[in-house]
Amino acid sequence: DAKTTQPTSMDCAEGRAANLPCNHSTISGNEYVYWYRQIHSQGPQYIIHGLKNNETNEMASLIITEDRKSSTLILPHATLRDTAVYYCIVRVTGANNLFFGTGTRLTVIP
Amino acid sequence: EAGVAQSPRYKIIEKRQSVAFWCNPISGHATLYWYQQILGQGPKLLIQFQNNGVVDDSQLPKDRFSAERLKGVDSTLKIQPAKLEDSAVYLCASSLDLGDTEAFFGQGTRLTVV
Repeated sequence: DAKTTQPTSMDCAEGRAANLPCNHSTISGNEYVYWYRQIHSQGPQYIIHGLKNNETNEMASLIITEDRKSSTLILPHATLRDTAVYYCIVRVTGANNLFFGTGTRLTVIP
Repeated sequence: EAGVAQSPRYKIIEKRQSVAFWCNPISGHATLYWYQQILGQGPKLLIQFQNNGVVDDSQLPKDRFSAERLKGVDSTLKIQPAKLEDSAVYLCASSLDLGDTEAFFGQGTRLTVV
């Protein structure tokens, strides 16, 4: 069963920041928050993951609330190539499976 | 670095026929996954290998699906006989080891059963 809740779809203007929310109110203390994205006709691609501290890499930033019940993935300057389905996943590191829900379909508009 | 290779990219078969998909993971990756992605849904795990052993096949419909990774490198997923509801994209992924933070996915094989 899905442990996360995401909006079905979002739009973002090109060049603006895209903020994708995720609710994971039942997250356990040892579960990480992972984000993957899937561009049309491709396999999913890892973006970022975190436990409780905010994380940043070359692709995105991950902001996790203090109570860890929700998080936001931020694409600082969205481009047309960021149009994809974004999946928020909670997972115990060392666990085997990635459980994908239905994700958020982000459309970046020129 | 070469990614996860899958073939074929597309396959159309009639129901009750058999089909096989092939996957070559990233060199050195011990863990290999097969996922099924039905249109409009997220990928769902079918089976997971660690080297040549099965770690999790609880979601694999074993009456018609089978998979092997005999030498612990490449893998084959077979469906026999296919049903209409098997129409989906079959994704192969690999990671360095069990529970590794990042899994790398291939482009998938799109299967259409008519």
